[in-house]
Amino acid sequence: QTVVTQEPSFSVSPGGTVTLTCGLSSGSVSISYYPSWYQQTPGQAPRTLIYSTNTRSSGVPDRFSGSILGNKAALTITGAQADDESDYYCALYMGSGISVFGGGTKLTVL
Amino acid sequence: EVQLLESGGGLVQPGGSLRLSCAASGFTFSSCPMSWVRQAPGKGLEWVSGISDSDGSTYYADSVKGRFTISRDDSKNTLYLETNSLRLEDTAIYYCAKVRNYFYFGMDVWGRGTTVTVSS
Repeated sequence: QTVVTQEPSFSVSPGGTVTLTCGLSSGSVSISYYPSWYQQTPGQAPRTLIYSTNTRSSGVPDRFSGSILGNKAALTITGAQADDESDYYCALYMGSGISVFGGGTKLTVL
Repeated sequence: EVQLLESGGGLVQPGGSLRLSCAASGFTFSSCPMSWVRQAPGKGLEWVSGISDSDGSTYYADSVKGRFTISRDDSKNTLYLETNSLRLEDTAIYYCAKVRNYFYFGMDVWGRGTTVTVSS
C-alpha cells in the first residue's frame, strides 16, 4: 500500500522561510506524480495552492512555491506570515484517476 | 463565481446508507472531472472517489470500493455519492471538489462539505 509521508509539524518565525516535504514510503517522488499542495485552516475547506509540482493556483501569492527536492516534493513558504499558520497537505497522482494525500503538516508561525 | 454546495449528510446507523449531492454552478460542469474527498474528525484529507467528464469512468479508494458509488447528472449540474454499508470509520466531512481539467492536476475548487456521522 502506497503511503505518502509528510512532517507532522513544523514551525517558522514570522518573515522566515520554511520548506515542507512530501515523500513516498517506498520510492521517490518525481514530476510524474504531479504533486499538488493544499492549505487548510481549522473549520474551513481546503484551498489549492500548487498543482503539477510548481504551478501556483489562481490568487496564490508568489511566496508559495513548489519543487522537487531530492526524492521528495517540496512546498516552500518565503516570508512567512501569521495567517500562513495552517495545515498543509500534499497529494500525489497514482494513475487511473486515483490520488493519495499525505497525512498533513501542521505549520506554526511563532 | 465557481461554487460547489454539498448536501445530504446526516446521522446514520452502521450498515445504513446516505446519498450525498453536490450542486455545481459558475462553470461548465459537464466538461469537468469531479472528485469526493473526506476528512474524519481530527484527521487528514482522504481522496474517496472520482468521475470523469468524457466517458463517466469512475474511480475509488480501496477503503470504499464496493460500498460507495459516484455518479453525475450533467443536466442538473449535480454530482452524487451513494454511500452504502456505512461503517463507523466513514464518519467524516465529505467535500466535493472540481478537478482541474485532468485528474493528475488535482482539485482546484472545493465545496464547504457535508458531515456524515455513522453511529448507533
